[in-house]
Amino acid sequence: GAGVSQSPSNKVTEKGKDVELRCDPISGHTALYWYRQSLGQGLEFLIYFQGNSAPDKSGLPSDRFSAERTGGSVSTLTIQRTQQEDSAVYLCASSLRTPPGPYEQFFGPGTRLTVL
Amino acid sequence: EDKVVQSPLSLVVHEGDTVTLNCSYEVTNFRSLLWYKQEKKAPTFLFMLTSSGIEKKSGRLSSILDKKELSSILNITATQTGDSAIYLCAVVNTGTASKLTFGTGTRLQVTL
Repeated sequence: GAGVSQSPSNKVTEKGKDVELRCDPISGHTALYWYRQSLGQGLEFLIYFQGNSAPDKSGLPSDRFSAERTGGSVSTLTIQRTQQEDSAVYLCASSLRTPPGPYEQFFGPGTRLTVL
Repeated sequence: EDKVVQSPLSLVVHEGDTVTLNCSYEVTNFRSLLWYKQEKKAPTFLFMLTSSGIEKKSGRLSSILDKKELSSILNITATQTGDSAIYLCAVVNTGTASKLTFGTGTRLQVTL
């Protein structure tokens, strides 16, 4: 596609529910990243995919968070048993070049998650 | 742990003014520094800097890296209201993930 797309754009859920956030990277981009931006905070790295594998999951805040990528393209970030502190904008980025770079990452519009 | 600090946190200027945004970093095995503009949700890429002293320029925006001082500046001349945004600085180390470590950003507001 022309750019990184994410869905849904907004998600409101109740505490304790599971949510799935989707990212569709730019076609041909092998590297995919998930970041989180909480109110008043900078963007925080969550997980990195190279193809379908995730060599770096170090940013996932707890075992309630997981992500997968299939076919080297679409990725899904799943948050189980959501908590209010999970409320944030979840941003996905993709990159054409494989690490170690240098390169630029292109961001999607994000999913704003609100946990009530 | 890699760290990025941006200053000022926020800035209000009049249209036509020139602004300088600052970014300083602590990175093990520095690879590159990137600037992004965030207006609503998606940060849009501005510059990537890897070498000290070489200015990158795009229209009214320019940026330069100083590896000795572990810092970078982003200059915007003749500011316009459309420049109002959060400007994010991020660094990349030479690790295998090449993940971005971001500062909290500088919120710029340009008024008429």
